Amino acid sequence: QVQLKESGPGLVQPSQTLSLTCTVAGFSLTSYNVHWVRQPPGKGLEWMGVIWNTGGTRYNSALKSRLSISKDTSKSQVFLKMNSLQTEDTATYYCAREGYYWGQGVMVTVSS
Amino acid sequence: DIQMTQSPSFLSASVGDRVTINCKASQNINKYLNWYQQKLGEAPKRLIYNTNNLQTGIPSRFSGSGSGTDYTLTISSLQPEDFATYFCLQHNSFPYTFGAGTKLELK
Repeated sequence: QVQLKESGPGLVQPSQTLSLTCTVAGFSLTSYNVHWVRQPPGKGLEWMGVIWNTGGTRYNSALKSRLSISKDTSKSQVFLKMNSLQTEDTATYYCAREGYYWGQGVMVTVSS
Repeated sequence: DIQMTQSPSFLSASVGDRVTINCKASQNINKYLNWYQQKLGEAPKRLIYNTNNLQTGIPSRFSGSGSGTDYTLTISSLQPEDFATYFCLQHNSFPYTFGAGTKLELK
């Protein structure tokens, strides 16, 4: 059964770095791509980036300078790191496999 | 970046109504257009992929059409469980971009 689950801190201080983990089950990260998508409260969805099954990455240019996606295939985990957080980065962060299977999302609030 | 203009933003309808939601891309997206349904507190659920392919398990009252820059999601006969927010997503080119959403409300 395909599953994805995001985890990470619920609260991050402004200017700090966000670190999230997406732990997957039911498939191999060497066979499928994983995307990150975020959604500010009450707003729409923003595609952040993807890590290919090969390990390559592609980022949204609006976030590229702050964003890094990596993975540990042996642990079935994908990692998102984004630095210089601001209040507008407050959102629910989702990981998804090919746009069909999604995690439940993790809410991240940026506040001092 | 490709801009996705989704309309309407809000739609008030009754059970049994036929409704359409539109997405217009700022350039040709070659039918690489998905539709998602999202209910409060839940992750998006894919209904339609690549314009007109119904996701397994999704009722046949949902359908998609379009080409070039213009795409439509149609719900042929609204059911109570269909009241939700709907988003389109273009995955023709990076960065992938979503429409702003259509909130479908019970009249």
